[in-house]
Amino acid sequence: GEQVEQLPSSLIVQEGASVLINCSYTDSASVYFPWYKQEPGKRLQFIIDIRSNMERKQNQRLTLLFDKKTKHLSLHITATQPGDSAIYFCSARGSALGRLHFGAGTQLIVIP
Amino acid sequence: EAAVTQSPRSKVAVTGGKVTLSCHQTNNHDYMYWYRQDTGHGLRLIHYSYVADSTEKGDIPDGYKASRPSQENFSLILELASLSQTAVYFCASSEGLGGYEQYFGPGTRLTVL
Repeated sequence: GEQVEQLPSSLIVQEGASVLINCSYTDSASVYFPWYKQEPGKRLQFIIDIRSNMERKQNQRLTLLFDKKTKHLSLHITATQPGDSAIYFCSARGSALGRLHFGAGTQLIVIP
Repeated sequence: EAAVTQSPRSKVAVTGGKVTLSCHQTNNHDYMYWYRQDTGHGLRLIHYSYVADSTEKGDIPDGYKASRPSQENFSLILELASLSQTAVYFCASSEGLGGYEQYFGPGTRLTVL
C-alpha cells in the first residue's frame, strides 16, 4: 500500500525564518495531496492541498510544490510566526474511496 | 461551531474491558473515518463508512469494530481493550470522493491499563 514519508521530523527556527518540509510517497496512482496542521492539543486542520495535475499551489505564506516524476512534495512556509508552531502532516489519497495515507508528521517550533 | 465532535475526550480503560468511542458530525457528510495517532506514526485508518448501516475496514482494523447507525453518528468499539490500543483516536468526515477535505474531531485520548 501507499507509504508516505516526511522529513525532517522536527524543526526549530527563529521567527521570520523560512522552512521547508519534504514529503515523498510510493504509490504512483495517488492523485490528491492535502496537508494538515495540528496545534498542541487541537484537532487537525486542513491548510493546503494539491492535485497530481498541478506543480505548484500557493496560499498566502504557504507554497506547495509537487513533482509527479519523483513522487515528491515540498511545503515552503515563509516569514514564520510563533502561531505556526505545530505538527504538519503530509497525506496522499489514491483512487480508493477517499482513504488518506499520512506521513508521521513534522514538528515545527518557531521561537519568538 | 465544531462540526465534528467526539466523546469522551479522554478515557481510562482496563485491559479486557469494552470501550466505545463516539463521533457526531453536523456537516451532512456521507463519509466518516476513524484514525488512531501514535507518536512517530502519523494517523492510521482503522475503519471508515460511506453510508449509514455500512462500514469498511481500513489499514489497521484488527481489534476494532465500527458502527454507523445514522449519517451523523459513527462509533468505534473495542470489545476487549488491550495495552497496545492506548493512543489518541480521531474521527473525521468528508463530503465524498475526489479531492475532498476531511474535517477532524478534537480527538479522544484512550489509556488502557
